[in-house]
Amino acid sequence: GNSVTQMEGPVTLSEEAFLTINCTYTATGYPSLFWYVQYPGEGLQLLLKATKADDKGSNKGFEATYRKETTSFHLEKGSVQVSDSAVYFCAPGSSNAGGTSYGKLTFGQGTILTVHP
Amino acid sequence: EPEVTQTPSHQVTQMGQEVILRCVPISNHLYFYWYRQILGQKVEFLVSFYNNEISEKSEIFDDQFSVERPDGSNFTLKIRSTKLEDSAMYFCASRSRGFDRETQYFGPGTRLLVL
Repeated sequence: GNSVTQMEGPVTLSEEAFLTINCTYTATGYPSLFWYVQYPGEGLQLLLKATKADDKGSNKGFEATYRKETTSFHLEKGSVQVSDSAVYFCAPGSSNAGGTSYGKLTFGQGTILTVHP
Repeated sequence: EPEVTQTPSHQVTQMGQEVILRCVPISNHLYFYWYRQILGQKVEFLVSFYNNEISEKSEIFDDQFSVERPDGSNFTLKIRSTKLEDSAMYFCASRSRGFDRETQYFGPGTRLLVL
């Protein structure tokens, strides 16, 4: 099955700093790739996604590019805010050989981000 | 905006008791999932459900677990005889078959505590 290696945290940054959270994965086929975010006391929210190689997902200033050759999907943001403090999860979906199955997600261990004013 | 809802938000139960966690997926979605997150650990897949049957399940999803879609709106997870190690946050998710079909949308979770 799929596996995910996600940058360990916690990550502590000052407001307006640059953020990178690394994510690499192993998977059969070419799965869709997702970043989910969990704010304190809340559930999982989709942050961004990419469904094929070289696609860039973006949302709320966050970006991640589907790199097939390095099997990576690193999350970046140019200038973080205090409100970005949360836990971030990288998650490839599953795919069959034809790449048309959108089954279970395999989550990384999560990276806790704390942004100070 | 449509969203997945879950009830209850918190549940405390005694070891050996049965619990039923309820989810209302987004109305036009056809694929349903349960995941769990033990405190401080990563989110783990339990089971997926489509067309009134289980399409995939993990090793965690043993005979003590079952899922059901009793009507057109609810999707339930039953744990027959809870153990201490079942204490976790349980998330329901759903996805559509059409536009945006690759994305799973999650509910807010049910925090289960087994004493």
